[in-house]
Amino acid sequence: AQTVTQSQPEMSVQEAETVTLSCTYDTSESDYYLFWYKQPPSRQMILVIRQEAYKQQNATENRFSVNFQKAAKSFSLKISDSQLGDAAMYFCAYSKSGTYKYIFGTGTRLKVLA
Amino acid sequence: GAVVSQHPSWVICKSGTSVKIECRSLDFQATTMFWYRQFPKQSLMLMATSNEGSKATYEQGVEKDKFLINHASLTLSTLTVTSAHPEDSSFYICSASPPTGRMGSPLHFGNGTRLTVT
Repeated sequence: AQTVTQSQPEMSVQEAETVTLSCTYDTSESDYYLFWYKQPPSRQMILVIRQEAYKQQNATENRFSVNFQKAAKSFSLKISDSQLGDAAMYFCAYSKSGTYKYIFGTGTRLKVLA
Repeated sequence: GAVVSQHPSWVICKSGTSVKIECRSLDFQATTMFWYRQFPKQSLMLMATSNEGSKATYEQGVEKDKFLINHASLTLSTLTVTSAHPEDSSFYICSASPPTGRMGSPLHFGNGTRLTVT
């Protein structure tokens, strides 16, 4: 069975600084997708970034980028120039190719300090 | 585009009663919708997958007779919590498969429903 692990329950970062959130996963599949979602206090799930496993190039979206290490089954999220609005719960998610079923990690609460 | 509306946003009901939560895809047709449950400060746990016109597929440990899911149209799925008890109090979130139909495209999530059973 696939699992997703986020080992950091909580992280803090100073405004304008950079922070990296960790995520590891376990799967025997070779084709899959990985996602980072942000859940602010409103509880709305907001897609931050996604990565296709067959692509070696790390995905980037403005201040957000990932470090995808397929062999190590690691998928970390880097947030550059952190802003107060980045404060939220961040969930890493896995989806096997051919299905939309997501498996979520336990989440990391990010605090941004002014 | 690709908005998922969930209603109600919050509901309080008495123990023993049933409550229905609606999940609508507003501007696209969703063949598949998913229902999640999220306890405070915890992750989203998949409860069931509903496909339009067929019976829902429930995850292990989820009581299908307690959590009734209906996906009668391509734009509406409902979750009915029957004979609710305080332990059913939680945050329920639905999501819909993207309109592009392209695997790997991200799901679209509703705003969630906070259920409190007194």
